[in-house]
Amino acid sequence: GENVEQHPSTLSVQEGDSAVIKCTYSDSASNYFPWYKQELGKRPQLIIDIRSNVGEKKDQRIAVTLNKTAKHFSLHITETQPEDSAVYFCAATTWGGSYIPTFGRGTSLIVHP
Amino acid sequence: DTEVTQTPKHLVMGMTNKKSLKCEQHMGHRAMYWYKQKAKKPPELMFVYSYEKLSINESVPSRFSPECPNSSLLNLHLHALQPEDSALYLCASSEPGTAGEQYFGPGTRLTVT
Repeated sequence: GENVEQHPSTLSVQEGDSAVIKCTYSDSASNYFPWYKQELGKRPQLIIDIRSNVGEKKDQRIAVTLNKTAKHFSLHITETQPEDSAVYFCAATTWGGSYIPTFGRGTSLIVHP
Repeated sequence: DTEVTQTPKHLVMGMTNKKSLKCEQHMGHRAMYWYKQKAKKPPELMFVYSYEKLSINESVPSRFSPECPNSSLLNLHLHALQPEDSALYLCASSEPGTAGEQYFGPGTRLTVT
């Protein structure tokens, strides 16, 4: 089955700095890579996603890059704000009877004002 | 309507009780999921329904029994739970047949005493 590694587990930055979270996956058949943000006590919410036929995608301060050859993808947040503080999960989605995401272990991002 | 709803928000039950968690979506999605999530851990897949049929059971103990009465509703019946089953139970939905975003409900915070 798919295995997703996510690093770092905790990331502490100053407001205005950039933050980068990295994930690697094992199954070359994975073709959809979402990133979810989960604030304390709330549901995971999709912040950006990328498909295997695209190398980079950007949405305002958030960007995701995908390297299919190396099987890794990264989340980039620029000009971080305190409200960016949350746990971020990457996932790699593959077919296993249904399309199933395998989640990374999560990164706790803390943005200090 | 891009919302998945779950009831109840909180549930405390004894180990001999029987209770049910409910999930509803009106986005026309034909794939629905149950996840279990412990604090600061990624969601852990339990069950997947595709077109109202159970397509994936991730070796979940029989004290958890899923049901999909129709394309909008998903239930999780609980019986004889253990304290280690205390967690946030998340429902999600998506379009089957294509890898894409999962829409999560707000979850039910379950405590087993």
